[in-house]
Amino acid sequence: QQKVQQSPESLIVPEGAMTSLNCTFSDSASQYFAWYRQHSGKAPKALMSIFSNGEKEEGRFTIHLNKASLHFSLHIRDSQPSDSALYLCAVRGSGTYQRFGTGTKLQVVP
Amino acid sequence: GPKVLQIPSHQIIDMGQMVTLNCDPVSNHLYFYWYKQILGQQMEFLVNFYNGKVMEKSKLFKDQFSVERPDGSYFTLKIQPTALEDSAVYFCASSLGGRGDERLFFGHGTKLSVL
Repeated sequence: QQKVQQSPESLIVPEGAMTSLNCTFSDSASQYFAWYRQHSGKAPKALMSIFSNGEKEEGRFTIHLNKASLHFSLHIRDSQPSDSALYLCAVRGSGTYQRFGTGTKLQVVP
Repeated sequence: GPKVLQIPSHQIIDMGQMVTLNCDPVSNHLYFYWYKQILGQQMEFLVNFYNGKVMEKSKLFKDQFSVERPDGSYFTLKIQPTALEDSAVYFCASSLGGRGDERLFFGHGTKLSVL
């Protein structure tokens, strides 16, 4: 059974800093990799996703995938207090659904 | 953006009763999902649904669980009978699907408390 794990569990960064979140998975045949963000009491919302090795940038957010290392990451440039939330990574293996990690709680302090 | 609506937001019932959780997915989406989250734990996949049929279900999707979407209306999760361990937040999600867009759009969740 696929294992999806996130690190760190929680993170406090100053406003304007770069934030890096990590996700590891165990199934090398995995096909889809995504990050979701969940503000307290709200629905999880998709942030970014990637299918193949490499990097993708959208605004302040960059997703990086290395399938050989079974690892992908999310980088947030110029972190803002509004970025404070629970970040969930998700992986779809060879099946039809995404499996989620336990989350990283990010706090950006002014 | 597109929204998924879940009704009710909180449901309290006695063990052994039946409960139906309702989800109004994004209108043009084709794939529907239920996930279960116990407080402080990972969000776990229960089941997904496409073209009127269950695609995959996990071990958490017990025989007491069923899903349906009659006539394109609400996508429902029914639990009959409920057990104490069914207490959790249940998230519904929908997606357009296909390699083009696999993003899941989630509802706010239904918190189920089984007493």
